[in-house]
Amino acid sequence: NAGVTQTPKFRVLKTGQSMTLLCAQDMNHEYMYWYRQDPGMGLRLIHYSVGEGTTAKGEVPDGYNVSRLKKQNFLLGLESAAPSQTSVYFCASSYSIGGNSNQPQHFGDGTRLSIL
Amino acid sequence: SQKIEQNSEALNIQEGKTATLTCNYTNYSPAYLQWYRQDPGRGPVFLLLIRENEKEKRKERLKVTFDTTLKQSLFHITASQPADSATYLCALEEHGGSQGNLIFGKGTKLSVKP
Repeated sequence: NAGVTQTPKFRVLKTGQSMTLLCAQDMNHEYMYWYRQDPGMGLRLIHYSVGEGTTAKGEVPDGYNVSRLKKQNFLLGLESAAPSQTSVYFCASSYSIGGNSNQPQHFGDGTRLSIL
Repeated sequence: SQKIEQNSEALNIQEGKTATLTCNYTNYSPAYLQWYRQDPGRGPVFLLLIRENEKEKRKERLKVTFDTTLKQSLFHITASQPADSATYLCALEEHGGSQGNLIFGKGTKLSVKP
């Protein structure tokens, strides 16, 4: 039982390049989230999904896109990477019980992304 | 403006003492608060959840309080150990907020010295 797995763990990109970060969870969770964590800023929500085939914007969605084609996977895409997107990216998932939240989030160990 | 603040960026205490971490919020109406632990290079790990109608929650050496009048949650670690050294994050979900969306504080880095 791996929980939440993020790939890759590290990546260096050049400005303008594109890439996709993959998050996989094996807990059959409905909800999945992408955050970025920057020094002095805390965790900020980029996009989230409340179920397969649905996504929504979080606090800082600009420059990112997401897809949830399968319940267990949540992909975060950077179409044209910018230095301001240098950060640590965390994926998380949680249960939905009857559509209610109030559930802990389970996090992966992050992807460290540098944009040069 | 809306804010969630963890008052200390860093807290240093001696082993065996009680660590008390503070989380204050402004212009939010939380349905509940959660506390997480984060070790360097790792993702946050859930510790405790407390609902707005609960005053206190305990789990082993951990205790969380929630005062909606003061707009504050306190997180206590009793009989602290060097292994408790980590960054602790508080997070809240608002009434009427999007499903499961948490708003995180910036964290308090706790160091427990032997």
